[in-house]
Amino acid sequence: GDSVTQMEGPVTLSEEAFLTINCTYTATGYPSLFWYVQYPGEGLQLLLKATKADDKGSNKGFEATYRKETTSFHLEKGSVQVSDSAVYFCALNPVSGNTPLVFGKGTRLSVIA
Amino acid sequence: ETGVTQSPTHLIKTRGQQVTLRCSSQSGHNTVSWYQQALGQGPQFIFQYYREEENGRGNFPPRFSGLQFPNYSSELNVNALELDDSALYLCASRGGHLLANYGYTFGSGTRLTVV
Repeated sequence: GDSVTQMEGPVTLSEEAFLTINCTYTATGYPSLFWYVQYPGEGLQLLLKATKADDKGSNKGFEATYRKETTSFHLEKGSVQVSDSAVYFCALNPVSGNTPLVFGKGTRLSVIA
Repeated sequence: ETGVTQSPTHLIKTRGQQVTLRCSSQSGHNTVSWYQQALGQGPQFIFQYYREEENGRGNFPPRFSGLQFPNYSSELNVNALELDDSALYLCASRGGHLLANYGYTFGSGTRLTVV
């Protein structure tokens, strides 16, 4: 079945550092791809999405590009802030079947001042 | 507009007991899905309801069951609780027709601890 693989965490960065969180997927067809963020004690918030190849999703300074050739959707941010500390989940919406979202295991990001 | 509201936020149950978790979907949303998130893991799909009918189920045993009501709120019931059922249970809703590619709005979850 479809699956998502994320880089292992935790990731610890200094404020204003560049962030990359790798995400690759295995899927039938061309699923929609998402990044969700989970702040401590909260549910998941949709951060950005891309619905077709070469689409770039962006929000709050975060970006990710749907790369069909490498089956990847890496999350990037040019300058992280302490407030970005959270767990980030890459997810896909399978083309077939009744599973709405398939998630990776999550990557914990800690940003220190 | 209100978001997705889940209740209770925390509860503790004993192995073998039954539990009901509740979810009020965002206004106008007709699709509700439930996920189980074990500690340190990503959410795992349990099942989904569209207009009161179950239309998808993940790899969970039948003791996990659910309902969706005419106002599109939903319940998750778990019978014969096991220690491994301890997790954060997330509810998510969205609007549109069944195949719409809209994003889901998640609630804050119910933290279930089975002792």
